[in-house]
Amino acid sequence: DAGVIQSPRHEVTEMGQEVTLRCKPISGHDYLFWYRQTMMRGLELLIYFNNNVPIDDSGMPEDRFSAKMPNASFSTLKIQPSEPRDSAVYFCASRPGHLSYEQYFGPGTRLTVT
Amino acid sequence: LAKTTQPISMDSYEGQEVNITCSHNNIATNDYITWYQQFPSQGPRFIIQGYKTKVTNEVASLFIPADRKSSTLSLPRVSLSDTAVYYCLVGEDTGFQKLVFGTGTRLLVSP
Repeated sequence: DAGVIQSPRHEVTEMGQEVTLRCKPISGHDYLFWYRQTMMRGLELLIYFNNNVPIDDSGMPEDRFSAKMPNASFSTLKIQPSEPRDSAVYFCASRPGHLSYEQYFGPGTRLTVT
Repeated sequence: LAKTTQPISMDSYEGQEVNITCSHNNIATNDYITWYQQFPSQGPRFIIQGYKTKVTNEVASLFIPADRKSSTLSLPRVSLSDTAVYYCLVGEDTGFQKLVFGTGTRLLVSP
């Protein structure tokens, strides 16, 4: 398996623009997570899905952020409009079913908002 | 979720054994202890998980005393490639969805 795939790996955009980050989880994994990592705040959980259904989005910073998982093999994290403080590395992770605890992280997307 | 405390950084040399201790005084009965490793420009990677006593795998050992208020990750004979940030996490085994990463311990291994 190729592991968790994220695209793009790097994104540079201007303030006010819409940004869409993409994730393909490992096939067969029931859980999908979106994290954000910055020097100031460390690694934070934004939202996670179970069987394509959003379970907990309490970590989503504000309404400008939204996440979807239309099917088991694809998820998006959208920021609209983007702001410079959104600059961070965004990780997607997936996990097998209920009895497994190990999360598998993707390589991340480095987002820079100017 | 129980809060964890670990040293901010540690230094070591190749070939030495490294022990990183994590404090989790408020650990609950159902909580497990998990360690992740993160290399620069990569996502975290699971290392090991345990509930009590000692757990060993091909990468590391995890020592947990009887009171479970702390745990120690042991890396035998580290190499330069073990330079990374190591995170200690505590949470329920059945859930563990909401991984809460602290600041981690930045390990630097020198020649």
